[in-house]
Amino acid sequence: EVQLVESGGGLIQPGGSLRLSCAASGFAVSRNYMSWVRQAPGKGLEWVSLIYSTEYGGSTYYTDSVKGRFTISRDNSKNTLYLQMDSLRAEDTAVYYCATALSSGWTLDYWGQGTLLTVSS
Amino acid sequence: EIVLTQSPAILSLSPGERATLSCRAGQSVSNYLAWYQQKPGQAPRLLIYDATKRATGIPARFSGSGSGTDFTLTISSLEPEDFAVYYCQQRSNWPFTFGPGTKVDIK
Repeated sequence: EVQLVESGGGLIQPGGSLRLSCAASGFAVSRNYMSWVRQAPGKGLEWVSLIYSTEYGGSTYYTDSVKGRFTISRDNSKNTLYLQMDSLRAEDTAVYYCATALSSGWTLDYWGQGTLLTVSS
Repeated sequence: EIVLTQSPAILSLSPGERATLSCRAGQSVSNYLAWYQQKPGQAPRLLIYDATKRATGIPARFSGSGSGTDFTLTISSLEPEDFAVYYCQQRSNWPFTFGPGTKVDIK
């Protein structure tokens, strides 16, 4: 069974750093396209970052608002996806979802339950 | 960035009625358009990908159409569990973007 479990969210002050984790089971993160999508409270969805599989070169992409501050990565031995977030701002407050595309082309068809990040002093 | 516009913002219907949701892209996204359903407190659920293909396990009452810049999600006969927010999303150009959503609520 495919499962994605995010962790690492919490309350952090502006300017701080935090790392989110997404533990995967039922498939290999190294062989699949993985993403982070966020949703600010009461708002819509925003695609934050993606990483291609090793087979496709492992390229990474970031939305402009997080470029230079966030880093997506994976640990194949732990089958886990990460999002390192630095220089956090109030506008980064959101539920962060980890997601992957397994059987729907390049479209996200499996999602975790999300982890809440609150950036506030 | 490709901007997606969804209409209407809110659709008030009764169970058994047909729902027609629209998504318009600021430039062509070919058929690289998906539809998601989201209920409060839950992660999004993929319904349709590549404009017309139903995702695994999605009931046949959900269908997608369109290409280029204009897309439609149709729910042929609303079930009680279909009242939710629906988002379209393009993967033609990075950054991949979502529309603002259409809320389907009970009339």
